[in-house]
Amino acid sequence: AQSVTQLDSHVSVSEGTPVLLRCNYSSSYSPSLFWYVQHPNKGLQLLLKYTSAATLVKGINGFEAEFKKSETSFHLTKPSAHMSDAAEYFCVVSDRGNDMRFGAGTRLTVKP
Amino acid sequence: GAGVSQSPRYKVAKRGQDVALRCDPISGHVSLFWYQQALGQGPEFLTYFQNEAQLDKSGLPSDRFFAERPEGSVSTLKIQRTQQEDSAVYLCASSFVGFQYEQYFGPGTRLTVT
Repeated sequence: AQSVTQLDSHVSVSEGTPVLLRCNYSSSYSPSLFWYVQHPNKGLQLLLKYTSAATLVKGINGFEAEFKKSETSFHLTKPSAHMSDAAEYFCVVSDRGNDMRFGAGTRLTVKP
Repeated sequence: GAGVSQSPRYKVAKRGQDVALRCDPISGHVSLFWYQQALGQGPEFLTYFQNEAQLDKSGLPSDRFFAERPEGSVSTLKIQRTQQEDSAVYLCASSFVGFQYEQYFGPGTRLTVT
C-alpha cells in the first residue's frame, strides 16, 4: 500500500526567501503525486500533480516540485515566498489510481 | 456557483444522535469522494462513488457510517449514533472520473460531537 511522509510539520520563512516543503513517498507501483494547499476556511486546492510525464512539475502561484524516484521524494519549492502563501500544504500519493493517501500536512508560516 | 458545496458547514450533535452531511459536486463530475480530516491531520479517504455506484467504501471506520448517491449527483454521508471520536471535518470532492484527475474539494462540514 502507498504512503506519504511530510518531513516537517511546520516551516517558517521570511517573505521573499525560498520555500522548501519536503515529502517522501512509498509506493509499489508508479505513483501519481500531488500537492494540495489548504487556506483557513477554504477547500483544498490543487497546486500541481505528477503523473509519469516530466519529472519537474510546475504548478500555480510559482510553485514547482521534482519527482525523484531514486530518493522516493517529491519536494515542493518556490523561489520567493509571499505572505499569501501562508497555509497548510499536503503531499498526496495515488497508487495505480486506486485511492489517494494524504500526508499529515506542513504548516507554512511567512514572516514579513 | 461552479464549485463543490457542502452543507451544513458546521454541525454540533449530542453523542448518540444521527447526522446527515450533504455534498453537491460540480455538475458533470462522475466521481465523488468523501474524506475525514481530524484536527491537525491530513484527510483520510472514506468512500468513492462513480455515478451512483459506490466502488470503494474501505475507508468507512464502522458500520455506523453510510454514504449514498442515489441519482449520481448529490451525495449524503450519514453517521448513526455519533460518538466523540467522529468529531472531524468531513470533506467532499468531485472529479471528472477516477482518482487520477484533479479532485475539486468542498469547504467541508465541521462535525462536533458533545
